Amino acid sequence: GDSVTQMEGPVTLSEEAFLTINCTYTATGYPSLFWYVQYPGEGLQLLLKATKADDKGSNKGFEATYRKETTSFHLEKGSVQVSDSAVYFCALSDHPLNSGAGSYQLTFGKGTKLSVIP
Amino acid sequence: DARVTQTPRDKVTEMGQEVTMRCQPILGHNTVFWYRQTMMQGLELLAYFRNRAPLDDSGMPKDRFSAEMPDATLATLKIQPSEPRDSAVYFCASGLTTPGGETQYFGPGTRLLVL
Repeated sequence: GDSVTQMEGPVTLSEEAFLTINCTYTATGYPSLFWYVQYPGEGLQLLLKATKADDKGSNKGFEATYRKETTSFHLEKGSVQVSDSAVYFCALSDHPLNSGAGSYQLTFGKGTKLSVIP
Repeated sequence: DARVTQTPRDKVTEMGQEVTMRCQPILGHNTVFWYRQTMMQGLELLAYFRNRAPLDDSGMPKDRFSAEMPDATLATLKIQPSEPRDSAVYFCASGLTTPGGETQYFGPGTRLLVL
């Protein structure tokens, strides 16, 4: 079945440091890929997405490129801020015919907690 | 800015009591998902509706959980009777299915504590 593997956390960075959170996936077909962010005490917010190979999703200074050849969707940001401290989830959504599921259900990674210190 | 809303935001109850959680999906979305988040299991899909019809509830304990969509603006998740192991954050998400796929938008969650 489909699966998502993302780097174990927690990750602690100083403000203005470069961020990379690795994410790789396994899927039968050609899934859509997502990064969601969860701030403390809140729900998941869609951060960015890509729906086909070589697409780059970007939002709020974060970027991720859909790499089919390496089955990866790594999240990057050039200069993190304290306000970026949160848990980041990589996820994929495959067509039901490919996944065998009854829906475009999201398959999530376990999440990576990021702490940015001043 | 359209958002998924959930009520209540927090719920503390005693074992054996009934719990009802409510979700208002984004207007125009045709899919609704219920997820449960715990430290141990992470995010688990409980149920899924498309056009108000339940299509997948294989992740839900059938003996005590039930999910319904009485109308397009309301989805409910009920636990009866509740147990301490049901303590978790329950998220509702809504989405719109298009030929290109689907993007889900999450509500703020209901934090449930069963004593």
